[in-house]
Amino acid sequence: KAGVTQTPRYLIKTRGQQVTLSCSPISGHRSVSWYQQTPGQGLQFLFEYFSETQRNKGNFPGRFSGRQFSNSRSEMNVSTLELGDSALYLCASSFRRGTGELFFGEGSRLTVL
Amino acid sequence: QKEVEQNSGPLSVPEGAIASLNCTYSDRVSQSFFWYRQYSGKSPELIMSIYSNGDKEDGRFTAQLNKASQYVSLLIRDSQPSDSATYLCAFGRTYKYIFGTGTRLKVLA
Repeated sequence: KAGVTQTPRYLIKTRGQQVTLSCSPISGHRSVSWYQQTPGQGLQFLFEYFSETQRNKGNFPGRFSGRQFSNSRSEMNVSTLELGDSALYLCASSFRRGTGELFFGEGSRLTVL
Repeated sequence: QKEVEQNSGPLSVPEGAIASLNCTYSDRVSQSFFWYRQYSGKSPELIMSIYSNGDKEDGRFTAQLNKASQYVSLLIRDSQPSDSATYLCAFGRTYKYIFGTGTRLKVLA
């Protein structure tokens, strides 16, 4: 059974650019969550999608957005990149929201220069 | 009060010893509890989930849940240098997952 797949794994952007990250959840999982992780900050929750609808949102500016498609695949977008957006972006999927086991992808490491 | 509290460590234990990691949480309605292991530069890997009071064992790992006292712990028996990582606890609540900031474990050979 394939795990959560994230692409791209690594990317380098410059300030002001935008970036789109992709996530394919485990087959059968309809809940997809996104997290940002920076050294010393722990996992910061960005948002969660379920059945193509954003269900929960963390405390991030509107530059961070996402969407989910009918096949449960999800994308997140960050516009007008800032240096502080450099981080590991993690996607996770679960079968049952909030109670089921949450599985993470390998992450997309974004560096903003 | 933080929703989840973990000692950041590092917790250093000698090889072969038992490592004990603890986590307290503030939400009494939480139903699901998880332990993740995260190696430096890698993503979190689920190692244990526990839903009921008591102990749950899986190989060298034992998770202990006490809902009345609002804590969950992870015991790692026969610790190996390869267990050196950051361990995150998490709980599920109302369609959300709340993560601790992690305890860094160092197993000394």
